Amino acid sequence: EPEVTQTPSHQVTQMGQEVILRCVPISNHLYFYWYRQILGQKVEFLVSFYNNEISEKSEIFDDQFSVERPDGSNFTLKIRSTKLEDSAMYFCASQQSYEQYFGPGTRLTVT
Amino acid sequence: KQEVTQIPAALSVPEGENLVLNCSFTDSAIYNLQWFRQDPGKGLTSLLLIQSSQREQTSGRLNASLDKSSGRSTLYIAASQPGDSATYLCAALSGGGADGLTFGKGTHLIIQP
Repeated sequence: EPEVTQTPSHQVTQMGQEVILRCVPISNHLYFYWYRQILGQKVEFLVSFYNNEISEKSEIFDDQFSVERPDGSNFTLKIRSTKLEDSAMYFCASQQSYEQYFGPGTRLTVT
Repeated sequence: KQEVTQIPAALSVPEGENLVLNCSFTDSAIYNLQWFRQDPGKGLTSLLLIQSSQREQTSGRLNASLDKSSGRSTLYIAASQPGDSATYLCAALSGGGADGLTFGKGTHLIIQP
């Protein structure tokens, strides 16, 4: 069964460094999303992406964040200058018929 | 702004019991509601999706209901098993395909063998 994949599973970075989180959505899906979950808190929506552009974004998704679909399969989230509070699980999702399918997540630890 | 609340926050029951997890949402103008399972340190597995025009959906031992007018959904788990132990999340989609899901904080379920 097709599934969303994410790499790496765990990323450790120093404050101020740039990180890129990678996702491969399910191949025939058209909408893609990024969410984050800070330890012990709710899963929060960051951004949605359709037809090679951002469709919606939350107030969390500020200028430090960007998304890209560099080729026909990958979908990336870049954080330009990481802060301690960016430490969280980051989930990618893709959607078909309004049902969202999530990847296993990348645990980002900022030290 | 949509808010989703789940009660109880945690639940521990003996194996074999039937149980109900509750989810409420503040804005009844939802497009659909999705229930997920999350195992510790893992991703989210979609369990059931209920469209706004539906009243319930069933998958195996799981049954989810939706009452838009009262802003509530329930997840019923029949004949619980230790393998059902996980955190169960409900999430509301308030707009169309571009919108993100609004999640509750989840119910942490433990099924005692």
